[in-house]
Amino acid sequence: DAKTTQPPSMDCAEGRAANLPCNHSTISGNEYVYWYRQIHSQGPQYIIHGLKNNETNEMASLIITEDRKSSTLILPHATLRDTAVYYCIVRVGNNDMRFGAGTRLTVKP
Amino acid sequence: GAVVSQHPSRVICKSGTSVKIECRSLDFQATTMFWYRQFPKQSLMLMATSNEGSKATYEQGVEKDKFLINHASLTLSTLTVTSAHPEDSSFYICSAREQAGNEKLFFGSGTQLSVL
Repeated sequence: DAKTTQPPSMDCAEGRAANLPCNHSTISGNEYVYWYRQIHSQGPQYIIHGLKNNETNEMASLIITEDRKSSTLILPHATLRDTAVYYCIVRVGNNDMRFGAGTRLTVKP
Repeated sequence: GAVVSQHPSRVICKSGTSVKIECRSLDFQATTMFWYRQFPKQSLMLMATSNEGSKATYEQGVEKDKFLINHASLTLSTLTVTSAHPEDSSFYICSAREQAGNEKLFFGSGTQLSVL
């Protein structure tokens, strides 16, 4: 599976949009982009995933560049409860899931 | 979404004892389950992959005789840490995937193991 690069930490003001970037320049054509988050001392929580089209669900939006070498997770109105470590993972659908270091997002009041 | 239940959430044991952690898929059948370990302030590290009815596949550096994995049914996988030592103290997390074709993994809430 392709490796990903994420900034180690980001801050966001409560109520504002949080935009979390992820680089995956070696992604192959059949690899999906997944986003999970982990709140302290809990298991990872699925957020969203996509192949090449932008995706939106009740939690977030996923914007994938046309060349698929990078993506952005958008939390439209961040709340304090969104403070967590966010992991961007690329993988082929049925393979195991391997986590990088992720981005520690801190939402501030 | 699908629910994965992990039990216990926290366990403290004496050095040399064995500890069993259970991972159950509550509303779906999981042909494959994964076990992870996470040390403080680090990311999740994949330990092993277990498929229902067959032997688990361990990642390099993970001792299969120390971390026994059993996946006897489509809804239950267990991880037994045998002869636990303080260095085995960690956060253990399981995840499960529905039958082939589903792309999402669902994660348990984790087990904090402390070995005294």
